Amino acid sequence: GDSVTQMEGPVTLSEEAFLTINCTYTATGYPSLFWYVQYPGEGLQLLLKATKADDKGSNKGFEATYRKETTSFHLEKGSVQVSDSAVYFCALSDRAGGTSYGKLTFGQGTILTVHP
Amino acid sequence: DGGITQSPKYLFRKEGQNVTLSCEQNLNHDAMYWYRQDPGQGLRLIYYSQIVNDFQKGDIAEGYSVSREKKESFPLTVTSAQKNPTAFYLCASRSISRVEADTQYFGPGTRLTVL
Repeated sequence: GDSVTQMEGPVTLSEEAFLTINCTYTATGYPSLFWYVQYPGEGLQLLLKATKADDKGSNKGFEATYRKETTSFHLEKGSVQVSDSAVYFCALSDRAGGTSYGKLTFGQGTILTVHP
Repeated sequence: DGGITQSPKYLFRKEGQNVTLSCEQNLNHDAMYWYRQDPGQGLRLIYYSQIVNDFQKGDIAEGYSVSREKKESFPLTVTSAQKNPTAFYLCASRSISRVEADTQYFGPGTRLTVL
């Protein structure tokens, strides 16, 4: 079945440092890939997504590129802020539409803490 | 503002009681989902529904039940048969239009604690 593997956390960085959170996946077919962010005590917010190979998703300075050859979707940000402290989830969706139910498969999440 | 609301935010249950968690959306989305989140783990799918009056079991449906009588509402009941219900419960929805067919949007969650 489908699976998502994220790098082990927690990740602790100083403000303005470069961030990479690795994500690799196993799936049949051509899934869509997502990064969600969860702030303490809240639900998940969509951060960015990519729907086909070589697509780059970007939002709020975060980027991730859909790499089919390495089955990866690593999250990067050039300069993190204290406000970026949260839990980040990588996820994939089977192709939704028509009768497909668009199930999301999640990684286990990576806790990011950014210090001033 | 369009969005997904969940209530209550915190819920306490005594052992042996059934409790119902509310999920409402005004996004006109067709599909709705319930997930369970435990500390240090990803989300696991409990139930999902693609249309009114129809729903299917997800990966961990035992001890839970749902209904979908209205498009905008998808309540989850945690029954006494659920052996370890203490967790954070998240509701999500998605449109089935071609543009956003694969993207799920989440509510703020309900934290259930069994006393």
